[in-house]
Amino acid sequence: DTEVTQTPKHLVMGMTNKKSLKCEQHMGHRAMYWYKQKAKKPPELMFVYSYEKLSINESVPSRFSPECPNSSLLNLHLHALQPEDSALYLCASSLGQGSEKLFFGSGTQLSVL
Amino acid sequence: SQQGEEDPQALSIQEGENATMNCSYKTSINNLQWYRQNSGRGLVHLILIRSNEREKHSGRLRVTLDTSKKSSSLLITASRAADTASYFCAPGESNYQLIWGAGTKLIIKP
Repeated sequence: DTEVTQTPKHLVMGMTNKKSLKCEQHMGHRAMYWYKQKAKKPPELMFVYSYEKLSINESVPSRFSPECPNSSLLNLHLHALQPEDSALYLCASSLGQGSEKLFFGSGTQLSVL
Repeated sequence: SQQGEEDPQALSIQEGENATMNCSYKTSINNLQWYRQNSGRGLVHLILIRSNEREKHSGRLRVTLDTSKKSSSLLITASRAADTASYFCAPGESNYQLIWGAGTKLIIKP
C-alpha cells in the first residue's frame, strides 16, 4: 500500500464551524506533513510530525490545530477559520523527516464561507 | 520562504515534442526533487537527484543538476497529452527541509 488517504475530499464550512481533516498512511512512514496550497501557487508547509511528535510549526495561526494520534494518522482540526483560509490542504508522508521523497494524498479542497 | 525559482512559468507545446523546465535555487542543497501536480490534485514525486549526481533518467524524464550554477533542468521527451500538469522543483536544503519552486504549468496540445 503506497497511498496516503485524505478525507474529506471537499469541505465547505462557515466561519463559526469546527471541522477536522483526516490523513492516513500504512507505509510505515515516520514523518507526516500538512501543507496548504492556494490556486496557482506552490504548497506551503504548515506542520511536520516526526515520530508522532510535532517537530516543525511554521507559525500557523492557532485556528489550525494538528494532532497525530499514532504513526499512521494525522488530523488537522479547524476552528473559526477565515475566508482567506480557503485552499487545498495536502497531507504527505515520508520514511523519515528531511528532504526525502514525499508521498502526497489527493488533498481536501476547503471553502470557508 | 521560496527557494526554487522555475522557468518558464508556463509552457505550451505540441504532443510529441520535448519539454524542458528549469529550476534555480539559492543555497546549499542535499538533493533536488521534481513533482507533478494535475489540477486540484495531490503532488506526485517524479525523480530525486542527489547533490553529488549530475544527471538522472527515469523513463521519458531526464534531470540534470549543476551545483556550481545552483540550477536543475527537467526534460520530458516525446510529450503526451497526459503530461499536461504543473511541475514543481523542490530543492532539499542541507537542514533537510524542502523549499518549493513556483512551478511550471505545462500544456500539451494534441
